[in-house]
Amino acid sequence: GDSVTQMEGPVTLSEEAFLTINCTYTATGYPSLFWYVQYPGEGLQLLLKATKADDKGSNKGFEATYRKETTSFHLEKGSVQVSDSAVYFCALSSSGGYQKVTFGTGTKLQVIP
Amino acid sequence: DTEVTQTPKHLVMGMTNKKSLKCEQHMGHRAMYWYKQKAKKPPELMFVYSYEKLSINESVPSRFSPECPNSSLLNLHLHALQPEDSALYLCASSQEKGAGSYEQYFGPGTRLTVT
Repeated sequence: GDSVTQMEGPVTLSEEAFLTINCTYTATGYPSLFWYVQYPGEGLQLLLKATKADDKGSNKGFEATYRKETTSFHLEKGSVQVSDSAVYFCALSSSGGYQKVTFGTGTKLQVIP
Repeated sequence: DTEVTQTPKHLVMGMTNKKSLKCEQHMGHRAMYWYKQKAKKPPELMFVYSYEKLSINESVPSRFSPECPNSSLLNLHLHALQPEDSALYLCASSQEKGAGSYEQYFGPGTRLTVT
């Protein structure tokens, strides 16, 4: 079945540091890939998405590239802010089961001033 | 507008109570979802409605009863819950198949505590 593996947290960074959160996936067919962010006490917000190989999703300074050859969708940001502190979920929606989203376990990011 | 709204924001109920959670979206989405999220875990799918009809039930206990009165509204009726049902309940919506990409948009959730 489908699965998403993302790096264990928590990740603690200083403000303005470079962020990478690794995500790899296993899926049949050609899944769509997503990053969601969840701030404390809130629901999930779609951060970015990519629907085919080599697509780059980007939003609010975050980027991730759909790499089919390595089955990866790593999240990056060049300079993090304290306000980026949250839990980040990598997720996929497979082409055959579009209504079911498979989530990774989440990575908590803490940015300190 | 990519907003999904949920009420109430917080709910405390006893094990013998009956309560309902409500969800609303005005994005024209025809698929709507209920998820349960425990602390430090990803959301777990409970139910999926497609064109107002229940299409997926992930073996959820009958004390949870979903309802989709129309294409914009989704309810979750709660009865005789257990303390282990305490969690954040999230509603989401998405386009249906054939309508483009299927990313799901989530509401802010209802924090449920069962005493």
